[in-house]
Amino acid sequence: AQTVTQSQPEMSVQEAETVTLSCTYDTSESDYYLFWYKQPPSRQMILVIRQEAYKQQNATENRFSVNFQKAAKSFSLKISDSQLGDAAMYFCAYRVNSGYALNFGKGTSLLVTP
Amino acid sequence: GAGVSQSPSNKVTEKGKDVELRCDPISGHTALYWYRQSLGQGLEFLIYFQGNSAPDKSGLPSDRFSAERTGGSVSTLTIQRTQQEDSAVYLCASSLVISGSPSTDTQYFGPGTRLTVL
Repeated sequence: AQTVTQSQPEMSVQEAETVTLSCTYDTSESDYYLFWYKQPPSRQMILVIRQEAYKQQNATENRFSVNFQKAAKSFSLKISDSQLGDAAMYFCAYRVNSGYALNFGKGTSLLVTP
Repeated sequence: GAGVSQSPSNKVTEKGKDVELRCDPISGHTALYWYRQSLGQGLEFLIYFQGNSAPDKSGLPSDRFSAERTGGSVSTLTIQRTQQEDSAVYLCASSLVISGSPSTDTQYFGPGTRLTVL
């Protein structure tokens, strides 16, 4: 079975601080893509960042960066300079190169306090 | 341009009734996906369309669920004889398959339809 584990159901961070959301996954495939999606109360899933498994360099998108450890099958998301608008559910997901379905974790609810 | 749209936004129905959920993908996107998000859970893959064809329907939870896509654009997910366990948010996504492999393409999601079965 292919699974994604997000061990932190809820996280809290103060505005302007940094927070890291953890994610581990399990797949027997060697070629795959990893994603972090954000889901605000509007329900729309918004892509935050994407990582190709064959790339050793960690992806970054402005205040968002990942720590990808392929051997450990770990893919954490770091949010720097947190803003109130970052408050949302964050989902980690992957898709194998031979497939098309995204496999999601159960999500981490991020609260940002002033 | 316009994103993925879904209708209705919310649907309340009685157990045993049939419902249809609609998805309008981003114009030009050839791949379309349906997912289900039950309360407190991640997203569960249901079905994938490439054009009007559905190569994989294995994610559909039962034969009460069906989906079609016409003209390579709009898709409809139909749930027959709804049950209370069908209550969930149904999300649609689309992607532009530019490399021949959908796995390399980012999926863009719609806002979902919240289905409540009483």
